Amino acid sequence: GESVGLHLPTLSVQEGDNSIINCAYSNSASDYFIWYKQESGKGPQFIIDIRSNMDKRQGQRVTVLLNKTVKHLSLQIAATQPGDSAVYFCAEKKNAGNMLTFGGGTRLMVKP
Amino acid sequence: GAVVSQHPSRVICKSGTSVKIECRSLDFQATTMFWYRQFPKKSLMLMATSNEGSKATYEQGVEKDKFLINHASLTLSTLTVTSAHPEDSSFYICSASGEETQYFGPGTRLLVL
Repeated sequence: GESVGLHLPTLSVQEGDNSIINCAYSNSASDYFIWYKQESGKGPQFIIDIRSNMDKRQGQRVTVLLNKTVKHLSLQIAATQPGDSAVYFCAEKKNAGNMLTFGGGTRLMVKP
Repeated sequence: GAVVSQHPSRVICKSGTSVKIECRSLDFQATTMFWYRQFPKKSLMLMATSNEGSKATYEQGVEKDKFLINHASLTLSTLTVTSAHPEDSSFYICSASGEETQYFGPGTRLLVL
């Protein structure tokens, strides 16, 4: 389940199950979104991106869904593995430049 | 592709000294590089944006004279923490962008004693 408080929201899943990580973005004018994975002590790693003219995009074991009506972005990970344990950040691009604004992050913990 | 390196990965320095961190895009030319700071269990905080050959744009609250940024080429940007103090201890991460997507370096852990 999820916990919210002073620490990062945490999602615990059983190995092999599917994971869904959610993100609410703030600006309806945002036209580009990215999901990053950050392991402890490392820099964020690009996972998948989606433009605002799409509502779904699939990668290898990952799917990003975009609901512009409610300004919601989700990352689905199929058959979650222990190596998927990390903090996941969503990011939105708000203007014609390439500056990103990051969400607060969600910690994914995979139980063996 | 899209590999970004940072050096050093970890540095310990004495209070009052300056530390330089390098960020390189190894396999693409980055028109823009970004410098972030990250506190434990927190999201990334943008410090500044730098475009090759021009002055960096600093975010509100970030002292430009303390955090000197140089972006001399399309593949290299440096961040110098001048007169470092213990409160500057943090995880510093750079990213490089060719078009829209930002690719991140592995980060530099700075500890100021």
